[in-house]
Amino acid sequence: AQRVTQPEKLLSVFKGAPVELKCNYSYSGSPELFWYVQYSRQRLQLLLRHISRESIKGFTADLNKGETSFHLKKPFAQEEDSAMYYCALSGPGAGSYQLTFGKGTKLSVIP
Amino acid sequence: NAGVTQTPKFRVLKTGQSMTLLCAQDMNHEYMYWYRQDPGMGLRLIHYSVGEGTTAKGEVPDGYNVSRLKKQNFLLGLESAAPSQTSVYFCASRAGTRRNTIYFGEGSWLTVV
Repeated sequence: AQRVTQPEKLLSVFKGAPVELKCNYSYSGSPELFWYVQYSRQRLQLLLRHISRESIKGFTADLNKGETSFHLKKPFAQEEDSAMYYCALSGPGAGSYQLTFGKGTKLSVIP
Repeated sequence: NAGVTQTPKFRVLKTGQSMTLLCAQDMNHEYMYWYRQDPGMGLRLIHYSVGEGTTAKGEVPDGYNVSRLKKQNFLLGLESAAPSQTSVYFCASRAGTRRNTIYFGEGSWLTVV
């Protein structure tokens, strides 16, 4: 069964400090990993996907298959980064290619 | 291009009442999903559909029914609402291949009293 674990419910950092949001996964196959962001009372938006290997809003994430991790990082946090972040995994799931989400980490950037 | 649209956005129900949430997408996507979002639980899949006329159960299907009579619409029904179904409901859709992005609606806030 596929599972996504985000160990931190809440992460508070000061503006300008580095940020690392942790994500570990369990999946028997080749997963596709994503980070979604949800600003207050808004829809989820795709932030990153591991196959793109791109940087969005200064965030990066590297898939580490050995450690089964997909941690989200940003060198210098900004106040506008305060939001809920969800790590998600996409797998066949009976052919549905559904997303399985972690429970989310709330990032709070302190001015 | 509206993307994924959910109606209604807010609703208060009494225990035992029924209601239907409508999800509409204008991207000609094959796959559609209904998730519920609860504090500390993340998003959990209720039901999904891989094409017009097909539906399947997700992780938490009990108390809900769905229908996909038209490709662009995915309806989520609560036959007899319970307080445990108080939640934020998100619809999502994606094209028919694994590599495509999943797009979400804005959410529907449902309170059952």
